[in-house]
Parts: sequence; structure tokens; C-alpha cells
Amino acid sequence: QKEVEQNSGPLSVPEGAIASLNCTYSDRGSQSFFWYRQYSGKSPELIMFIYSNGDKEDGRFTAQLNKASQYVSLLIRDSQPSDSATYLCAVRGWAGNQFYFGTGTSLTVIP
Amino acid sequence: DAGVTQSPTHLIKTRGQQVTLRCSPKSGHDTVSWYQQALGQGPQFIFQYYEEEERQRGNFPDRFSGHQFPNYSSELNVNALLLGDSALYLCASSWDRLNTGELFFGEGSRLTVL
Repeated sequence: QKEVEQNSGPLSVPEGAIASLNCTYSDRGSQSFFWYRQYSGKSPELIMFIYSNGDKEDGRFTAQLNKASQYVSLLIRDSQPSDSATYLCAVRGWAGNQFYFGTGTSLTVIP
Repeated sequence: DAGVTQSPTHLIKTRGQQVTLRCSPKSGHDTVSWYQQALGQGPQFIFQYYEEEERQRGNFPDRFSGHQFPNYSSELNVNALLLGDSALYLCASSWDRLNTGELFFGEGSRLTVL
């Protein structure tokens, strides 16, 4: 079983819509969760991290965490064509030094 | 403020050869992690260096080795290259004392093994 699983997509949404990206993880002891955005041919860049159950909002982005269900999601409101990228979910390992990444979900925002 | 820099950006090797990839961390960062990202996959943790020592290692064979220098820069060495080693190799730096978990990635070194 993979440590972190994501729907690889592709996910297409019209401009202005809400994009919903989902991620599940296997290690119930995991404490910190990260969303990275990766444009084609570029390196990943951090969008948000979340440690506590519930929602965390930053501008158009909202991360949601449910540790009981081992589920993390990222909502992108008012999606823009510039949001078109692959979104990687990452979970920090118990030792704190290793991050487990999902395979990423490809998002396309259609103008 | 220079971010994470990696070299070379692209390289082509043949099976059995050896390769060395280099990374300079973001200014102020003391920890360097290396990840392998195969096409269409997420990054996979190779190892992490802190205080010039390998602090943790992922599930990679001993053909993969590394080093960290006193100025915090790092090298990744891969011996006896296999076709399956073809991937984007990402270096990520962080500041150990801050410990937020945020990784700053370089643009990567794309290795093709023929």
C-alpha cells in the first residue's frame, strides 16, 4: 500500500470554479501535511501546510484535514488558468526528515 | 537572495557509468534532502544530510551516496547507472531549527540513462 495516494486526474474545471483535490495517507501517526504545486518542467513549490484537524485558509486556497479518516484535501476557489499545474500531496514521516509524496493530481483550468 | 541551485540541469549517461549531481542550498539553510522524481510520479526521498552526515535514508540502494560540505552544499553520487535511474533529481533545502517542514526545491537535474 502506498503511503500517500492521490487521484492522478486529469481534473478540468472552468475558470472561476472551485477545484477540489484529494489525498489519503496510510500512516495514522502522521502529524503534518503539505500541498505543493508543480508546473510542467519546474520544481515543486509549497502552497500550504496543515497540522490540525479542520480547515486552514490562505487566500483562494483552503486545506482540510481529517485525521480520523486519514484524508487531506485542497480547495482552490475562483480557479484561474495560472492554477493549471500538478498538485502534490506530501506527508511528513514520523522522524521528521522524510516526506512521502503522492503521484500528484493534474489540474487544468479552462478559460 | 539566491534560492536552491542545482547543477547540471541536464545530463545524459550510459548504463554502468557514474554521475555526480550538485546542490547549493538556499542562503541560511543547513539541511539538504535529495529526491528522485520519475516521469509522472511524485518525488521519492533518497536521503537527507545535516551537519555533514546522512541523517536519514529512503529505500534506495547503496549505489546512491551523498556528501555534505562545511558550507552546507551537497552532492549526490550514483554508481553503476541503470536505465531505471533516469529521472529528475531534486535537491531540497531547509533550516533545521525552524522545523516547519517547508522544503525549498531547486529546479532539478534531469538525468537520462541510455
